[in-house]
Amino acid sequence: DAKTTQPPSMDCAEGRAANLPCNHSTISGNEYVYWYRQIHSQGPQYIIHGLKNNETNEMASLIITEDRKSSTLILPHATLRDTAVYYCIVPREGTYKYIFGTGTRLKVLA
Amino acid sequence: GAVVSQHPSWVICKSGTSVKIECRSLDFQATTMFWYRQFPKQSLMLMATSNEGSKATYEQGVEKDKFLINHASLTLSTLTVTSAHPEDSSFYICSAGAAGGRDTQYFGPGTRLTVL
Repeated sequence: DAKTTQPPSMDCAEGRAANLPCNHSTISGNEYVYWYRQIHSQGPQYIIHGLKNNETNEMASLIITEDRKSSTLILPHATLRDTAVYYCIVPREGTYKYIFGTGTRLKVLA
Repeated sequence: GAVVSQHPSWVICKSGTSVKIECRSLDFQATTMFWYRQFPKQSLMLMATSNEGSKATYEQGVEKDKFLINHASLTLSTLTVTSAHPEDSSFYICSAGAAGGRDTQYFGPGTRLTVL
């Protein structure tokens, strides 16, 4: 079973920030949180990952709570091309396997 | 960097035939590759872990004799669907990571298999 839970869907207005939450309450101390997105009929695209500290790259920001039980992916200025299913993943400790949950289907509205 | 390719991107075959799908890491060496299957409107399901130079390990419920995996080099893993049937029709996706899978995984574009 996936170690994460996410809301099934969200809408966001174009140009606004999209904040996608993820719950990973059973995460252990050395496990990273990874975010990917999948646009229809394509392979998942890596976005960002983190352990404890907040992270930012050219695509997004990742905010991890102090207790590490949840995180939020932030797309600062969503565009129509950001419409996709977003997956938050905590690999199985020791195996590094990704077990995908259902993800959040983000729809960016014009 | 970190590009993973798959070939073919789509394939249609007759029931009973075998189909081979290739997964290549183009700009890094991948000691570990993973194979997933995705049915329409569903999430990715991990099928197996492919380790260079050793046997693949399969997830529970995945038939190893039906889905043959070979990881002969640090940049190539192949998945062969043997004696394919219509229920094997799916989107097959591979991923690759350096550092024995401990690093970030990068995914291929996927292969759509249709079995008639």
